[in-house]
Amino acid sequence: QSALTQPASVSGSPGQSITISCTGSRLDIGSYNFVSWYQQHPDKAPKLMIYDVNNRPSGVSNRFSGSKSGNTASLTISGLQAEDESDYYCVSFTSSSTYIFGTGTKVTV
Amino acid sequence: QVQLQESGPGLVKPSETLSLICSVSGYSISSAYYWGWIRQPPGKGLEWIGNVFPTGGTAYNPSLKSRLTMSVDTSKNQFSLKLTSVTAADTAVFYCARGIAPTAFDSWGQGALVTVSS
Repeated sequence: QSALTQPASVSGSPGQSITISCTGSRLDIGSYNFVSWYQQHPDKAPKLMIYDVNNRPSGVSNRFSGSKSGNTASLTISGLQAEDESDYYCVSFTSSSTYIFGTGTKVTV
Repeated sequence: QVQLQESGPGLVKPSETLSLICSVSGYSISSAYYWGWIRQPPGKGLEWIGNVFPTGGTAYNPSLKSRLTMSVDTSKNQFSLKLTSVTAADTAVFYCARGIAPTAFDSWGQGALVTVSS
């Protein structure tokens, strides 16, 4: 199984909004609402930011939101802050009952 | 507050077996939806390894399935991973995590670097 496709990098200025895309296929993103997003700072464990496409765990800022259209999921960060500078990964459930991560996106503020 | 801690050898020789244990504290391992292992080669992205359910059921990454065994020990509140016939390509930071929904890992260990080298 090939990794989901994410842009290598996305940048924005403080206060702006950015969107990170995550493209899969009808065998994963296109068929299931089980898409999660993780934030990972250097040398740290990933942190769950979004699950089930658009649900935020307790404690995650409402500046983070998720959506899905067809075979592509998206993570939007609004009101960009310096602390949002990090790597972001999507992950989807697949038709084989396995998980597949995205290639990762480096966000620069 | 749930805490997870990976433990095991930091250096494994090629062709040997990589073994890791994830010790869970502050939460009963039997109460979770499932537990998972994820790895990250140095400088690269995340790769899902597999999941183990409190009942002992498992789900594995197809690319690793032939070499992988995961299990849970409810008496010790820990779960484990064994990966056989390792090569340098298996060098990575290995994370254990708690699953609360499909693809959703809400609590993670700090990660354990395992290097495969002679």
